[in-house]
Amino acid sequence: ETGVTQTPRHLVMGMTNKKSLKCEQHLGHNAMYWYKQSAKKPLELMFVYNFKEQTENNSVPSRFSPECPNSSHLFLHLHTLQPEDSALYLCASSQEPRQGGVYEQYFGPGTRLTVT
Amino acid sequence: AQKVTQAQTEISVVEKEDVTLDCVYETRDTTYYLFWYKQPPSGELVFLIRRNSFDEQNEISGRYSWNFQKSTSSFNFTITASQVVDSAVYFCALRGNFGNEKLTFGTGTRLTIIP
Repeated sequence: ETGVTQTPRHLVMGMTNKKSLKCEQHLGHNAMYWYKQSAKKPLELMFVYNFKEQTENNSVPSRFSPECPNSSHLFLHLHTLQPEDSALYLCASSQEPRQGGVYEQYFGPGTRLTVT
Repeated sequence: AQKVTQAQTEISVVEKEDVTLDCVYETRDTTYYLFWYKQPPSGELVFLIRRNSFDEQNEISGRYSWNFQKSTSSFNFTITASQVVDSAVYFCALRGNFGNEKLTFGTGTRLTIIP
């Protein structure tokens, strides 16, 4: 595997289900991100993990719970979701320098989530 | 606050025509970074270019070129001799430096190349 991979690619779940999205990066990066992409809306940053520590939680409802066990893996645990949570969930990674500078983020193919 | 505006929601051009995608940004940071990404139907955002605020040189990569103008806060993207494979949604994004590190995306421009 190369780049950033995400599983599953498609997920349909009921509002009472619990599921998890998985992301793995094979780029040796030290930062990982979850984004939500809804129709006709800009990409919304949900969570950032930098050096395995969560550095940003962008006012995301508690029904979304991230987990970053190591710098290569990122999970998004889902429970009691609402239909409006249906969207494309994108994972990304980047190499964040410890002192200044910025590098680009590399994205996975996304998980298309449908909540029924 | 940071903001990225892509005023063109959808553009359609005939194959081999040139097309320019506009991007206007707002930031109070003196150092910032601009990006373009391509999102084909498969869904994955593909990184195209990163530009630092202190480097205003235009860049060309094959059929792609970028025009960065700080005076107008614009970072436009031109595809020359467009091809059907260029059909995708293109996103412009902005990121600040030190404490303003969130990547802010525009709403995207859907480009359709007509064969």
